[in-house]
Amino acid sequence: EADIYQTPRYLVIGTGKKITLECSQTMGHDKMYWYQQDPGMELHLIHYSYGVNSTEKGDLSSESTVSRIRTEHFPLTLESARPSHTSQYLCASSGVGSSRGGAFFGQGTRLTVV
Amino acid sequence: GNSVTQMEGPVTLSEEAFLTINCTYTATGYPSLFWYVQYPGEGLQLLLKATKADDKGSNKGFEATYRKETTSFHLEKGSVQVSDSAVYFCALSTGNQFYFGTGTSLTVIP
Repeated sequence: EADIYQTPRYLVIGTGKKITLECSQTMGHDKMYWYQQDPGMELHLIHYSYGVNSTEKGDLSSESTVSRIRTEHFPLTLESARPSHTSQYLCASSGVGSSRGGAFFGQGTRLTVV
Repeated sequence: GNSVTQMEGPVTLSEEAFLTINCTYTATGYPSLFWYVQYPGEGLQLLLKATKADDKGSNKGFEATYRKETTSFHLEKGSVQVSDSAVYFCALSTGNQFYFGTGTSLTVIP
């Protein structure tokens, strides 16, 4: 059983608010990822980290930011939420030899900006 | 570059029918290949994996064989159940990054 947790599971928030989506893993994985999943199901990589103090932007441009101060924690922040940010956000992690073991996903946060 | 192409959905099958979801890939190097399953309102769960050519991954009655010569990793199940209704993603990894297909929605009707 993979141990990666996202909170909150669901969030409805007004336009202009600042929000932070939390992601934590207890597996000691060095690599962590944030994906945005559109209603058509496709996953888009928006941020990733290969270790503490390492963060990179992914393939899909996003107004969100991330930080990696601790190995187990990889929060995503939106400074000013907009309706276009409404989506499902999935956090994932992978460990040493990740290409063989696969990535493990949290349950996701469903964000609605009204 | 690296990419995954999987069968367009949605797929609707009757219970106990045979399932195939096609997946082909393009990769530099020697990728590992994965199938993930996503149930409604949930994250992705690793279903099975294969790390080298001719490996067969299997789990919960699902199987997929890593075919280097055809660059394919098709998902199969001999007899689907209603509980198999979900979205299935094919993926590859060549190192630090993962590349996902667009997902195939499967509905199994009683």
